[in-house]
Amino acid sequence: GENVEQHPSTLSVQEGDSAVIKCTYSDSASNYFPWYKQELGKRPQLIIDIRSNVGEKKDQRIAVTLNKTAKHFSLHITETQPEDSAVYFCAASRGNTGFQKLVFGTGTRLL
Amino acid sequence: DAGVTQSPTHLIKTRGQQVTLRCSPKSGHDTVSWYQQALGQGPQFIFQYYEEEERQRGNFPDRFSGHQFPNYSSELNVNALLLGDSALYLCASTRGGSDTQYFGPGTRLTVL
Repeated sequence: GENVEQHPSTLSVQEGDSAVIKCTYSDSASNYFPWYKQELGKRPQLIIDIRSNVGEKKDQRIAVTLNKTAKHFSLHITETQPEDSAVYFCAASRGNTGFQKLVFGTGTRLL
Repeated sequence: DAGVTQSPTHLIKTRGQQVTLRCSPKSGHDTVSWYQQALGQGPQFIFQYYEEEERQRGNFPDRFSGHQFPNYSSELNVNALLLGDSALYLCASTRGGSDTQYFGPGTRLTVL
């Protein structure tokens, strides 16, 4: 079955620096790759997602890149701020639109 | 517009008991997925309901069952509880034609 590996498990950055979190997936048929942010005691919230037919997507300070050949995707956060501190999860899925079965990584704690 | 809601917030049970967790999706959403999140781990997919039927299932035993009602709300039932079932149970809803899953706040289940 699908497996998603996520690194690093913890990432400490200075305010204003950039942060990069990397994920690798095993199922080459995966077609949807969302990133969720989970603050302590709260629900996961989608921050950005990308489909397999797109190589890069940006939303203000957040960007995601996808390399289908290498089967990895990355989250980039620029100009980090204290409110960016949280656990970030990547996920991969191979479902039909509207019926995604998300397989999550183990999370990265951003400090 | 209310988001995804779940009840109860917390629940304490003993081994062998049965539990029912409830989820109401966002307005306009018709698909509900359930996930189990153990402490310090990412969520794991349990199953997904659409049109009152289980559409997909993850690697969870038959002790885990569910139901979806005509109003799209859903229940997760777990029988013969084990200590290892202690986790945060998350419900996520999706609108037809979209991939975005919106999560509820979760139900924290503790099995003693």
